[in-house]
Amino acid sequence: GNSVTQMEGPVTLSEEAFLTINCTYTATGYPSLFWYVQYPGEGLQLLLKATKADDKGSNKGFEATYRKETTSFHLEKGSVQVSDSAVYFCALKSGNQFYFGTGTSLTVIP
Amino acid sequence: SQTIHQWPATLVQPVGSPLSLECTVEGTSNPNLYWYRQAAGRGLQLLFYSVGIGQISSEVPQNLSASRPQDRQFILSSKKLLLSDSGFYLCAWSVGLAGSNEQFFGPGTRLTVL
Repeated sequence: GNSVTQMEGPVTLSEEAFLTINCTYTATGYPSLFWYVQYPGEGLQLLLKATKADDKGSNKGFEATYRKETTSFHLEKGSVQVSDSAVYFCALKSGNQFYFGTGTSLTVIP
Repeated sequence: SQTIHQWPATLVQPVGSPLSLECTVEGTSNPNLYWYRQAAGRGLQLLFYSVGIGQISSEVPQNLSASRPQDRQFILSSKKLLLSDSGFYLCAWSVGLAGSNEQFFGPGTRLTVL
């Protein structure tokens, strides 16, 4: 079956620290992979995506690389800001269905 | 451009009362539509999805139902709410089977059942 496992939170970092949020997946076929971000009280927004092996998605300083050999799609950012505080969801798409991880809460302190 | 609307934004209902949440999409045709629930501090639970008018797939047995009376309208309903129905309800849409097409989410409805 299809599933996504992501790093449990919450994660607290100081401003300008390096961020990694781990995400691994199980899928049949060749899924597309996504990272979504949810700010308090809002819906989810697409952060970045990758559609095939070795693709790197990037946006707003965040990056993630589709690693088929390790079935991973880890989210990274070199220097986090207070405004990056949010919940981050890893997801995969197979056919019409999307499968989400449980979310990782990130708090960045000044 | 495409937009997705959900209403109401917040709702407080007593146990045993009915529920109707509405979601509409603008700017696209024949979208795939989804209802998710997000309990406090937890991930997303897919409740229903629809690939066309009148076509509903249910992912979790419960006292909720969904309907799609029009191409770009998706409604979540209940005849009698339970306390456990409290949560943040998100509607989303995507287009087709193409692997790269992401989901777009609405702003959500915060439901509190008392």
